[in-house]
Amino acid sequence: QSALTQPASVSGSPGQSITVSCTGTNSDVGGHNYVSWYQQHPGKAPKLMIYEVSNRPSGVSNRFSGSTSGNTASLTISGLQAEDEADYYCSSYRTSNSYVFGTGTRVTVL
Amino acid sequence: EVQLVESGGGLVQPGGSLRLSCAASEFTFRSYSMNWVRQAPGKGLEWVSYISGSSSTTWYADSVKGRFTISRDNAKSSLYLQMNSLRAEDTAVYYCGRAGGSYRIDYWGRGTLVTVSS
Repeated sequence: QSALTQPASVSGSPGQSITVSCTGTNSDVGGHNYVSWYQQHPGKAPKLMIYEVSNRPSGVSNRFSGSTSGNTASLTISGLQAEDEADYYCSSYRTSNSYVFGTGTRVTVL
Repeated sequence: EVQLVESGGGLVQPGGSLRLSCAASEFTFRSYSMNWVRQAPGKGLEWVSYISGSSSTTWYADSVKGRFTISRDNAKSSLYLQMNSLRAEDTAVYYCGRAGGSYRIDYWGRGTLVTVSS
């Protein structure tokens, strides 16, 4: 069960916008609208940031947005802030009853 | 506020067994499917297993199929993971997570560390 592909790292300056990509196949990202994104600070549990491709749970800043195009999902963080520095993981339902996570992206605020 | 608290982790020898527990509170446990997700030291997240609210449906990652068994006790609001034939590569922090619908994990516990080593 291969993981979804994410860039190892993405960086940006405060106030800028950055985008994290997540590439899968038509058995997962491209085949279902069940893409989620999680934020994880060091030593902490993951936190749900986006679900169903582009929906934000209550309490998550509207600076976080999601989208898909074909087999690639994207997470955009606008107005980058120091507190956004963390690891980000995408996840998708995969046909034949499983979940799959992405390889993870370290977001650095310069 | 939803709470999930894992326990049962520790040091175990290769080939050994361990049972993890996850105590849930502040929500109607039987109404939600649950997951186990693990994270090896310095590595990414890996989904391990899923169980429906009634226990009628269970799924497993290929890496643990045949060795791990997920179960739940709705009367005790508890989730379990029985891990047998443990290998060094099973060393990880194990998180329980609530399935909030649409295959998202909307609440996570703090995790319990399992170390497989001789």
